[in-house]
Amino acid sequence: DTEVTQTPKHLVMGMTNKKSLKCEQHMGHRAMYWYKQKAKKPPELMFVYSYEKLSINESVPSRFSPECPNSSLLNLHLHALQPEDSALYLCASSQEPVNEQFFGPGTRLTVL
Amino acid sequence: LAKTTQPISMDSYEGQEVNITCSHNNIATNDYITWYQQFPSQGPRFIIQGYKTKVTNEVASLFIPADRKSSTLSLPRVSLSDTAVYYCLVGDILTGGFKTIFGAGTRLFVKA
Repeated sequence: DTEVTQTPKHLVMGMTNKKSLKCEQHMGHRAMYWYKQKAKKPPELMFVYSYEKLSINESVPSRFSPECPNSSLLNLHLHALQPEDSALYLCASSQEPVNEQFFGPGTRLTVL
Repeated sequence: LAKTTQPISMDSYEGQEVNITCSHNNIATNDYITWYQQFPSQGPRFIIQGYKTKVTNEVASLFIPADRKSSTLSLPRVSLSDTAVYYCLVGDILTGGFKTIFGAGTRLFVKA
């Protein structure tokens, strides 16, 4: 299995909602990433997990909360988001943090 | 971190060879050069990575001159399906994953 899967594909939420994005990989990769991508812009790194430990938090607002329950699974918990948080949220994994990254198809998030 | 500069967009015709150049004047000794391809509403896909001289795989070639201040991604005989955004990244091979920064990208449009 050489895929990174993400669910849901689309999500619409209000500013007071709590939701979670899910990412899964079964390639035995030890590094997992969350990116945010606005339209016609490059992906921006949000979080990096290496061996299930949070290694990088790029000054992301606390309304985004990552979680890595095990080496195959990565969640992004969302709470009290703003309309400007609407974007494509991409998950990626790599064998080690230095290797090429495999990206999932993303979750298209709309905050009303 | 080395900043990258790429052309914003390029046009080509089917069957032509396309060369996309990326400038990275302050590339560091430990930095590798990596290229990703992204189609609309999909995650980026790794194309090729190199350190110096020339690297070739089944889809592309990467040319890096001796001073490493630039690199050129070469796509042989492009087809309509190669229409995408191409990102050049420069990062330390040992810690790069912890600080992945995508450049602005080059939008390649392949015409029939």
